[in-house]
Amino acid sequence: GAGVSQSPSNKVTEKGKDVELRCDPISGHTALYWYRQSLGQGLEFLIYFQGNSAPDKSGLPSDRFSAERTGGSVSTLTIQRTQQEDSAVYLCASSPSVLYEQYFGPGTRLTVT
Amino acid sequence: LAKTTQPISMDSYEGQEVNITCSHNNIATNDYITWYQQFPSQGPRFIIQGYKTKVTNEVASLFIPADRKSSTLSLPRVSLSDTAVYYCLVGDGNDYKLSFGAGTTVTVRA
Repeated sequence: GAGVSQSPSNKVTEKGKDVELRCDPISGHTALYWYRQSLGQGLEFLIYFQGNSAPDKSGLPSDRFSAERTGGSVSTLTIQRTQQEDSAVYLCASSPSVLYEQYFGPGTRLTVT
Repeated sequence: LAKTTQPISMDSYEGQEVNITCSHNNIATNDYITWYQQFPSQGPRFIIQGYKTKVTNEVASLFIPADRKSSTLSLPRVSLSDTAVYYCLVGDGNDYKLSFGAGTTVTVRA
């Protein structure tokens, strides 16, 4: 079946603009996760959804970051007033429930100029 | 997640076996050992998980000694397409906040 998909694959934006990143999880997966990976760095957890609710938003770096999930499926990560330090690859993952094996999408490479 | 230590990089040639050892001295009784693989410009991919002794699947083998303070991921007969970063994680399965360090960059040459 289809894996996790993310769009756009690449996004270049000017500092101060808002961006929306989309994630389509594997059908039937109730858990959805957003991560950030900076160049040459490891993975940084941002937020986790179980269904449409987000019980853990502890990784969101600032109030400029928000995320939502609708219909227990698609999720959108929004970054307002982007800054250069927001440049990174944003990865989405899903799993059938809160399990250790997470299935990752290809990521969205965000570049803030 | 327990702290892990693994080599920064390893070089190999096609057809060879690659063994990556991960140290996790503070592993807890309930912790499992999991390895992820990440190709350039792709998200990480789960490859294998184990608790003790040996686990084998179509991609790799995982060897875990009795004290579980380390583990070794074995990639048999690597090809150029196995060039990737490999991450070792230790946790009890409820640690959904996956946290990867720098991992081990494996480079396979012809």
